[in-house]
Amino acid sequence: DVKVTQSSRYLVKRTGEKVFLECVQDMDHENMFWYRQDPGLGLRLIYFSYDVKMKEKGDIPEGYSVSREKKERFSLILESASTNQTSMYLCASGRGAGGYTFGSGTRLTVV
Amino acid sequence: GENVEQHPSTLSVQEGDSAVIKCTYSDSASNYFPWYKQELGKRPQLIIDIRSNVGEKKDQRIAVTLNKTAKHFSLHITETQPEDSAVYFCAASIGPGNTPLVFGKGTRLSVIA
Repeated sequence: DVKVTQSSRYLVKRTGEKVFLECVQDMDHENMFWYRQDPGLGLRLIYFSYDVKMKEKGDIPEGYSVSREKKERFSLILESASTNQTSMYLCASGRGAGGYTFGSGTRLTVV
Repeated sequence: GENVEQHPSTLSVQEGDSAVIKCTYSDSASNYFPWYKQELGKRPQLIIDIRSNVGEKKDQRIAVTLNKTAKHFSLHITETQPEDSAVYFCAASIGPGNTPLVFGKGTRLSVIA
């Protein structure tokens, strides 16, 4: 019963490419989040969204943008991929002041 | 903004022993404190959470305690088992509503059989 789905488990992209990471949730949650996970650095917030067409910057938004055209879908965009964006990307969704449900993650390698 | 510190970064215990992971937070307005477990290659999953109007919460072998005055909260795992081996993350959020969780850097727990 997967509830937060990330479209790709592994991706390899070239430097300079535009990269789209997709996330879909089926729990009707208002809030959606993109985190980046790196060893020793924990989970760092990139962007989040409280509602359709709304977005807020997190702690490390540089080099990223997001799109939320529908409530269930939240996309992370790397405008011009760089090697320092090689990482595990985790999408999450939640409702109100509560816990999140995470997706399985996308491991992105930029070469 | 909120800052969450988590200690230790790694922890090894013998099977059957207890494990304690501690977190401190900076913003006294934070009122929601979840703990997530991430097994190798899997997504983080919520295992227990506590709100600021409660001092302690238990669920079988795991418990969380909160000290609002000192701004710290802890995860306690008793009678550890090999399947408890994972990375554990604490987090804090300023409620209500739409404030993102701020996570600690994680603790890698190894339970040695």
